[in-house]
Amino acid sequence: QKEVEQNSGPLSVPEGAIASLNCTYSDRGSQSFFWYRQYSGKSPELIMSIYSNGDKEDGRFTAQLNKASQYVSLLIRDSQPSDSATYLCAVRAGGSYIPTFGRGTSLIVHP
Amino acid sequence: DAGVTQSPTHLIKTRGQQVTLRCSPKSGHDTVSWYQQALGQGPQFIFQYYEEEERQRGNFPDRFSGHQFPNYSSELNVNALLLGDSALYLCASSLPETGTYGYTFGSGTRLTVV
Repeated sequence: QKEVEQNSGPLSVPEGAIASLNCTYSDRGSQSFFWYRQYSGKSPELIMSIYSNGDKEDGRFTAQLNKASQYVSLLIRDSQPSDSATYLCAVRAGGSYIPTFGRGTSLIVHP
Repeated sequence: DAGVTQSPTHLIKTRGQQVTLRCSPKSGHDTVSWYQQALGQGPQFIFQYYEEEERQRGNFPDRFSGHQFPNYSSELNVNALLLGDSALYLCASSLPETGTYGYTFGSGTRLTVV
């Protein structure tokens, strides 16, 4: 059973701070890693993908991947109240077309 | 550029009934995946359709079935509904290399079984 683990939270940070969201996975052969944002009552929206060890930056978002330690993280700089949502980590194992989702981490950014 | 369209938005059914949910993928996408998301949980993979065939299936019973049409749209059918089938059903469209490029999700169908 390929597993993707996330702390359900909530993670509460003040406006302007850096929010750090973490995800671990069980399959060492995993190839592709995704972060989705899901607002309450809405559907998930892809915000970042990462495939190689290291950091990938897109605006205020940075994804970090460490395959040796089997974790992927998402940093949100200058957090805004509009970033308050559930962040879902998804991991595609080797040999599968289909990414497995974690249960998500709830982020609350308070003014 | 139209995104992923799902219908209906909400549905209330009685235990034992059957339901059909529909999905039109984003323009340019030919692969459709269906997910079930219970409250407070991550999306759980039901199955994926590509070239009108079920390409991969998750750990769901045979009561869950689907179809993909030549125009890439798709249906999800659930027979003999159980209370536990109450959830948000998400359709996700993509290119065939799902695991590389990720999904575009529709707005979902909220199914309530009473």
